[in-house]
Amino acid sequence: SQQGEEDPQALSIQEGENATMNCSYKTSINNLQWYRQNSGRGLVHLILIRSNEREKHSGRLRVTLDTSKKSSSLLITASRAADTASYFCATVRNFGNEKLTFGTGTRLTIIP
Amino acid sequence: SQTIHQWPATLVQPVGSPLSLECTVEGTSNPNLYWYRQAAGRGLQLLFYSVGIGQISSEVPQNLSASRPQDRQFILSSKKLLLSDSGFYLCAWSGMTGLAFFGQGTRLTVV
Repeated sequence: SQQGEEDPQALSIQEGENATMNCSYKTSINNLQWYRQNSGRGLVHLILIRSNEREKHSGRLRVTLDTSKKSSSLLITASRAADTASYFCATVRNFGNEKLTFGTGTRLTIIP
Repeated sequence: SQTIHQWPATLVQPVGSPLSLECTVEGTSNPNLYWYRQAAGRGLQLLFYSVGIGQISSEVPQNLSASRPQDRQFILSSKKLLLSDSGFYLCAWSGMTGLAFFGQGTRLTVV
């Protein structure tokens, strides 16, 4: 079963705007990760945030984690056409049990 | 540096034929290894994962099996393919950082 559920399933915005995607999960986690997938390709990791962290930044990406609500958000600022892709969150439940479970993904389209 | 190789990129197989997809990792030892399947426009379904040689965890009952004959080799197999086995299969590995690195995927079409 899917551990994470992304919201929205699809998002279209104008280039230059900010894009926010959300992820909810069901069980306690060790860490949460965000990945990007271009059409028909493998996934590329973007950011990993641990359960004791609340916010993390990497370039134009900002990830937040709220373990009390079992949710995370990915913010892409100043979007570019090249950001068009599917974005997935993934969770690792317990250290020592490295099962990596993915959500259903958000399809992001940046309109030039 | 670490790399992951997955092949073939595309595969068309008749119903009832066997399947063998291979994934190898270079540049790291004792990786966690994963096989996922992705239906068109959907999320990733975890099929198998392995934390060591000969240690395979199966996530869903299905027509597929996995083996890890060597530390950095992960094989996905089927004795007889079904139409429903069609999909995009992704191999991945992770290490101490917890981040996963993916192969480029195999698009399997069962006809």
